[in-house]
Amino acid sequence: SQQGEEDPQALSIQEGENATMNCSYKTSINNLQWYRQNSGRGLVHLILIRSNEREKHSGRLRVTLDTSKKSSSLLITASRAADTASYFCATDARSNYQLIWGAGTKLIIKP
Amino acid sequence: DAGITQSPRHKVTETGTPVTLRCHQTENHRYMYWYRQDPGHGLRLIHYSYGVKDTDKGEVSDGYSVSRSKTEDFLLTLESATSSQTSVYFCATRLDYNEQFFGPGTRLTVL
Repeated sequence: SQQGEEDPQALSIQEGENATMNCSYKTSINNLQWYRQNSGRGLVHLILIRSNEREKHSGRLRVTLDTSKKSSSLLITASRAADTASYFCATDARSNYQLIWGAGTKLIIKP
Repeated sequence: DAGITQSPRHKVTETGTPVTLRCHQTENHRYMYWYRQDPGHGLRLIHYSYGVKDTDKGEVSDGYSVSRSKTEDFLLTLESATSSQTSVYFCATRLDYNEQFFGPGTRLTVL
């Protein structure tokens, strides 16, 4: 069963705007990860945030984690057409060797 | 990028025939995973391996079997393909409790 749920399911914004996606999960985690998937391709890892971290940055990406609310957000600043993709969160509970995946947010950047 | 290849990349087969998909990695990662991805479901884990000859079931394992006789290869077999197994199949690897690395995917159509 999927632990992570992304919100919104789809997001369409103008190039240059910021995009925010949210992920909620159900159980305690060791870390939470965000991935990007371009159409027809495999997923690519973007960023990992551990349960003892609250915020992490990587280039134009900013991830926050609120373990009390069991939620995370991914912010992409100054969006570009190349950011058009689906974005997935995945949680690692470290109770087994699996990641638990959400259904993804489809992001469209309009030129 | 981790060296992960999948073969075949595309396959069309008929209901009732056995099908084997291959995942090959050159990174010596311990953990390997098979997922299927269908619209509206995100990624669903079929089977995973935590070492040579060590495998376990995921959430959608019915109708699938796997084998891992050496570190670099993880095979997924559909014992008797059905139309409900039409999907895109992704292999992933993982070194430790961090990110997963994905192959390019196999698009399987069962007629």
